[in-house]
Amino acid sequence: SAVISQKPSRDICQRGTSLTIQCQVDSQVTMMFWYRQQPGQSLTLIATANQGSEATYESGFVIDKFPISRPNLTFSTLTVSNMSPEDSSIYLCSATSGTGAYEQYFGPGTRLTVT
Amino acid sequence: GENVEQHPSTLSVQEGDSAVIKCTYSDSASNYFPWYKQELGKRPQLIIDIRSNVGEKKDQRIAVTLNKTAKHFSLHITETQPEDSAVYFCAAWRGGGKLIFGQGTELSVKP
Repeated sequence: SAVISQKPSRDICQRGTSLTIQCQVDSQVTMMFWYRQQPGQSLTLIATANQGSEATYESGFVIDKFPISRPNLTFSTLTVSNMSPEDSSIYLCSATSGTGAYEQYFGPGTRLTVT
Repeated sequence: GENVEQHPSTLSVQEGDSAVIKCTYSDSASNYFPWYKQELGKRPQLIIDIRSNVGEKKDQRIAVTLNKTAKHFSLHITETQPEDSAVYFCAAWRGGGKLIFGQGTELSVKP
């Protein structure tokens, strides 16, 4: 299985600022995703990070608020822009390891608190 | 779009008993159903999964069953141990690699 790391592990930010979260996979993967998990809740898919093209966003999430980059097959970033307290959450990246593979593995998450 | 319902939201069992968590999905095109275990403060961990061409899969004390006609699948944990205590999430594959998650079940195993 792919080993996924994220940076930072946690951060406390002021409203109106932006934070960029990095996701690194130890091997090339076909698909990478970003999820949000609010305290005590389930996981909600934000977007699919597409290598070499614009991310595909789910309903309720927009590029201006959550710009995503994926410059290669092992790395992606998610930016949370113009933050408000409602953005306080855990943000997780995940990856599917290969063509035709279904198994999806998660990073450790980034715990974001907006004050 | 795909919707996944998970029950119960909380489950408390005595050590050694069995635990069963059930999920239903709405999209008949879904063909892959993983289960994740998430301990407090940790990442979700894939513990077992099943594809639509199989009705049951077992791995030691855990098993998953799938009923495609009824569009439901279940996680079975036998001989539960305190270290099984965690939140369990079911999910359904929506296509394009996207997983839609159930609401989660908080399992508590009392020694």
